Amino acid sequence: GENVEQHPSTLSVQEGDSAVIKCTYSDSASNYFPWYKQELGKRPQLIIDIRSNVGEKKDQRIAVTLNKTAKHFSLHITETQPEDSAVYFCAASRDDYKLSFGAGTTVTVRA
Amino acid sequence: GAVVSQHPSWVICKSGTSVKIECRSLDFQATTMFWYRQFPKQSLMLMATSNEGSKATYEQGVEKDKFLINHASLTLSTLTVTSAHPEDSSFYICSASGGGASTDTQYFGPGTRLTVL
Repeated sequence: GENVEQHPSTLSVQEGDSAVIKCTYSDSASNYFPWYKQELGKRPQLIIDIRSNVGEKKDQRIAVTLNKTAKHFSLHITETQPEDSAVYFCAASRDDYKLSFGAGTTVTVRA
Repeated sequence: GAVVSQHPSWVICKSGTSVKIECRSLDFQATTMFWYRQFPKQSLMLMATSNEGSKATYEQGVEKDKFLINHASLTLSTLTVTSAHPEDSSFYICSASGGGASTDTQYFGPGTRLTVL
């Protein structure tokens, strides 16, 4: 099955700086890569996603890049704010729509 | 749009009892629903996939006789934890796809925290 690895496990950044989270996947058939933000005790919220026919996607302060050849994708958050503090999960799926999640990254934005 | 609800939000039960958790898509018809389990400070682990009107597909290592899934309609799926034991205590989250701009995007419910005494 699909194996998604995520790094780093924790990330502390100063408010206003950028945060980058990286994920790799093992199954070359994976074609959908969403990113979720989860606050403590709450549901995961989709923040951005990318499909295998696109190399980069941006939505305001959030961007995702995908390198299919290397089988890795990254989340970039610019101008971080305290409300960006949360656990972020990357995931990958194939045509069966089953999501395989990374282990998560705990992001702390220091004011 | 694409709102998923889950009930109850938390439940405490005695060992050996059964607990039913409901997952509903409120404003769209969910072609597929998924059930996940999340232990503290860990990632989401897919337990099973269900499509309306058909049997659920369970992931390897998940006991289908212990975790009964029913997907009776395009807006409702239920997970029943039978003969619950303390090791079943966890955060159970459902998701649904079929709404929103794409059919493969999963929208998550708020989760159910199960504590088995």
